[in-house]
Amino acid sequence: SQQGEEDPQALSIQEGENATMNCSYKTSINNLQWYRQNSGRGLVHLILIRSNEREKHSGRLRVTLDTSKKSSSLLITASRAADTASYFCATDERSDYKLSFGAGTTVTVRA
Amino acid sequence: GAVVSQHPSRVICKSGTSVKIECRSLDFQATTMFWYRQFPKKSLMLMATSNEGSKATYEQGVEKDKFLINHASLTLSTLTVTSAHPEDSSFYICSATRQGPNIQYFGAGTRLSVL
Repeated sequence: SQQGEEDPQALSIQEGENATMNCSYKTSINNLQWYRQNSGRGLVHLILIRSNEREKHSGRLRVTLDTSKKSSSLLITASRAADTASYFCATDERSDYKLSFGAGTTVTVRA
Repeated sequence: GAVVSQHPSRVICKSGTSVKIECRSLDFQATTMFWYRQFPKKSLMLMATSNEGSKATYEQGVEKDKFLINHASLTLSTLTVTSAHPEDSSFYICSATRQGPNIQYFGAGTRLSVL
């Protein structure tokens, strides 16, 4: 079942600008993850943030988690054309290893 | 590490035929494998969870006899779309997890077109 909902659905930015997308979810979670999908390809794991963490960095990526608001944000700094992709949040609210994926945010970085 | 290979990447078949899709974890033993279906510009819909040596667990609304899943080893799971119809045309993606954090490693997906 789909739990996470990303916002916005689509985002178009100029190369070098920052891209921010948000994810909201409904139930308690163990952790929240962000994945990237290039068109017509599988998903690639970007970052995992645990429920007891508030912020995490990985290269040009910054993820925040607010469990009181049941929301997360993904910030991509200094965007590049290669960052053009769809980004999905995924929550792990159960103990059976299943993930619930959001609808995704499609990011287009213009050169 | 954690490479998942999915084959074929694209298949076109006639209505009524069966299509088999393979998902292999190349450099690790998968604890669990998952099969998803994705419609254009939509999120992933989990079809089933697969464990080596046991029957797959299907999500509600997914026909077990239509989508046969076999998990023969710790590195291989197959999805067979039986008696395919045009409405089965979609993008099918597999993923696998390994010991440790609950991260899924995805195959590149299979684009199925049923004529």
